[in-house]
Amino acid sequence: DTEVTQTPKHLVMGMTNKKSLKCEQHMGHRAMYWYKQKAKKPPELMFVYSYEKLSINESVPSRFSPECPNSSLLNLHLHALQPEDSALYLCASSQDGSGFQETQYFGPGTRLLVL
Amino acid sequence: GQSLEQPSEVTAVEGAIVQINCTYQTSGFYGLSWYQQHDGGAPTFLSYNALDGLEETGRFSSFLSRSDSYGYLLLQELQMKDSASYFCAVPYSSASKIIFGSGTRLSIRP
Repeated sequence: DTEVTQTPKHLVMGMTNKKSLKCEQHMGHRAMYWYKQKAKKPPELMFVYSYEKLSINESVPSRFSPECPNSSLLNLHLHALQPEDSALYLCASSQDGSGFQETQYFGPGTRLLVL
Repeated sequence: GQSLEQPSEVTAVEGAIVQINCTYQTSGFYGLSWYQQHDGGAPTFLSYNALDGLEETGRFSSFLSRSDSYGYLLLQELQMKDSASYFCAVPYSSASKIIFGSGTRLSIRP
């Protein structure tokens, strides 16, 4: 099973709402990632978790709050977002984030619209 | 800093061969990857080159020249399903941090 799943597929939220994005993998990977992708742009790294610990935060605003409850799950909690945060949010996983040749496996993404 | 440059769009004919180039500037180099992303889909890994030369995987090949800071993805026997965006990518500062090029949108016409 080389699948990363993400829920929901689509999300519309107001600027005062609180919502969460969920990501799950059952490949035994110990590194998990959140990326943000705007239309016609490449994915941009937001956070990296390695062995359930936050190892990289690419200076993401605090209105985005990641959480890794266990080695298979990764959440992204959203609060007080801005319209410019509308984008495709991609989750990915890899072996453990230590090997330069590691393949990252991406989920299908959650398409977020902030009104 | 790190930067990767690739053409924004390439058009090719079904059954033909196309090459997508990528030049990079990095402080420290660990390898060059290629990802494919269909519209509305997830990026999927295609190949990784750490050493100079050509790596072949079916209809797709990837080439790297470290001395020229240059690589390319070669797609042969193009099929309509190959219409997608293709990103070159490099790890930087640590294996888990990847920076992607701006992407090349490949359009295949019959």
